[in-house]
Amino acid sequence: EVKLLESGGGLVQPGGSLRLSCAASGFTFTDFYMSWIRQPPGKAPEWLGVIRNKANGYTTEYNPSVKGRFTISRDNTQNILYLQMNTLRAEDTAIYYCARGTQWFAYWGQGTLVTVSS
Amino acid sequence: DIVMTQSPSSLAVSAGETVTINCKSSQSLFGSVRQKNYLAWYQQKPGQSPKLLIYLASTRESGVPDRFIGSGSGTDFTLTISSVQAEDLANYYCQQYYDTPWTFGGGTKLELK
Repeated sequence: EVKLLESGGGLVQPGGSLRLSCAASGFTFTDFYMSWIRQPPGKAPEWLGVIRNKANGYTTEYNPSVKGRFTISRDNTQNILYLQMNTLRAEDTAIYYCARGTQWFAYWGQGTLVTVSS
Repeated sequence: DIVMTQSPSSLAVSAGETVTINCKSSQSLFGSVRQKNYLAWYQQKPGQSPKLLIYLASTRESGVPDRFIGSGSGTDFTLTISSVQAEDLANYYCQQYYDTPWTFGGGTKLELK
């Protein structure tokens, strides 16, 4: 069974940093593209970026809206996906999901809430 | 970025009705190489993660009831739910994956009349 479990969310002050984790199980992690997607309360999801699979060199691509502030990485020995978020703003407040998929997303985690507020 | 516009933003229905949700993209999502439309539909219930219903505009994900039907091509797409059931009350989102950044529509909330 495919499982994705995010952690690391919480309250952070504007300008601060946070690293989210997504523990993956139930599939061969290195075979799959992994994305981060966020959803502000009451709004639509927003795709943040992707880290590709082993066959594609684990390259990354980002939404311009977060490029330069957010970094996606993966630990392929422990099957963990990461999202490093820097210089956080109030508008980054959202539930953050990890998701598996090349272009559409068949598997999502339950999400972790990030609140940026002083 | 490709802008996805959904209509209506909310819809009140009675059980057993057939409903149609529209999604329009700011540019064509038809890929000439694969001859497919690069559009997905998701259902999201309160407090839950989005659930994939449809990909490639009309292919149902495994386990999705056949009352969910995706159609359309180019820039105009539709999700039809025939004989709506109480369990279908949720938010629905379209998503394009023709070009990055992949983008979602603003959502359609399906409510009980």
